[in-house]
Amino acid sequence: GQQVMQIPQYQHVQEGEDFTTYCNSSTTLSNIQWYKQRPGGHPVFLIQLVKSGEVKKQKRLTFQFGEAKKNSSLHITATQTTDVGTYFCAGGDNYGQNFVFGPGTRLSVLP
Amino acid sequence: EAGVAQSPRYKIIEKRQSVAFWCNPISGHATLYWYQQILGQGPKLLIQFQNNGVVDDSQLPKDRFSAERLKGVDSTLKIQPAKLEDSAVYLCASSPGTSGAYNEQFFGPGTRLTVL
Repeated sequence: GQQVMQIPQYQHVQEGEDFTTYCNSSTTLSNIQWYKQRPGGHPVFLIQLVKSGEVKKQKRLTFQFGEAKKNSSLHITATQTTDVGTYFCAGGDNYGQNFVFGPGTRLSVLP
Repeated sequence: EAGVAQSPRYKIIEKRQSVAFWCNPISGHATLYWYQQILGQGPKLLIQFQNNGVVDDSQLPKDRFSAERLKGVDSTLKIQPAKLEDSAVYLCASSPGTSGAYNEQFFGPGTRLTVL
């Protein structure tokens, strides 16, 4: 079945440094979604990418969907302590099913 | 707008007992999901409903797990009998529209289940 991997598993950065997490799927995705989960909280939707090669920005966050629609990345510029949490990518197949979450990248930001 | 409601928030049971979780999605959301999130892992989709019909239950352990959404609104997830490995947070999510995998999902606070 479809598998989604993320690297790195953990990332510790100093406040102000940049951060990137990468997401790779074993199969072509119809779309990719990114969620953030704060410690003790529930996943919160950040963004959805649908088109091949799509790039979207939200303030300090930049999201990219690969040309083959099998990989994606999330880049945070100048991290802040409020960015702490686990970032998950998730996607489904072309039939709108088999929706799978990646294992997540846990970000720690040291003040 | 009220969010996704779940109850109970916490549940502790012994193995081989039964347990049920309840979810009330955001009003008007056609698609409802149940996820299992084991500590340190990403959410794993158990079942997806579109209105009161099942869209995807391929990862639901059907020998012990069951779920229903009879009137296309709220839903219950049951485990009978529970095993130690069922200890996890059970998340309910909902999304508008009928193309489930293409829509933003709104998650509830989850039910933390501990099986002793």
